[in-house]
Amino acid sequence: QVQLVQSGAEVKKPGASVKVSCEASGYTFTTYSLSWVRQAPGQGPEWMGWISTSHGNTKFAQNFQGRVTLTTDTSTNTAYMELRSLKSDDTAMYYCARDDGGTLDFWGQGTMVIVS
Amino acid sequence: EIVMTQSPATLSVSPGESATLSCRATQSVSRNLAWYHQKPGQAPRLLIYGASSRATGIPARFSGSGSGTEFTLTISSLQSEDFGVYYCQQYHNWPPGYTFGQGTKLEIK
Repeated sequence: QVQLVQSGAEVKKPGASVKVSCEASGYTFTTYSLSWVRQAPGQGPEWMGWISTSHGNTKFAQNFQGRVTLTTDTSTNTAYMELRSLKSDDTAMYYCARDDGGTLDFWGQGTMVIVS
Repeated sequence: EIVMTQSPATLSVSPGESATLSCRATQSVSRNLAWYHQKPGQAPRLLIYGASSRATGIPARFSGSGSGTEFTLTISSLQSEDFGVYYCQQYHNWPPGYTFGQGTKLEIK
């Protein structure tokens, strides 16, 4: 079955960077793109960006342009999201999700990032 | 940016009854609209894509309709596991990318 397993919770100081991993299994990794979505406590989801797992192309929401890097390692079926210059309002749950043409059909369990 | 507005913010319904949730876009998204259900402490789960197609394993009591700027999710014969927060999401065009509504919380009456 399709699974996306993310790395564990992180606590970071303002100005630092965080890198979250997302390991995919149960399907051919390069067949589907991946999106990253975050959700601040008590808020709705916010789409951050998208990466083509076959070509490495990326797209980002304007709010994150220049501050986030998305990468993949096809040898381990793992995607990474790095967010830099962290601020307190970056405190949120961060999710990777399999992206089927814009539909996010499978999600990771989430990685809590606390900036304090 | 395409803004998605959901209504109502909160809906209280008794088990066995039906619920109708609405989602409006500030410009046409054609039928590029998905619905998700989220329970506390869990990731969102895809219910509907393409405005009206049910995702794999989603029961027939969930139905989506609409196109352009107005969309509806109807849940018939509500069960206890259906309560939680529902989000709509458009994936019509780039830029600016995908946007989500603020959610409708479905509560047990």
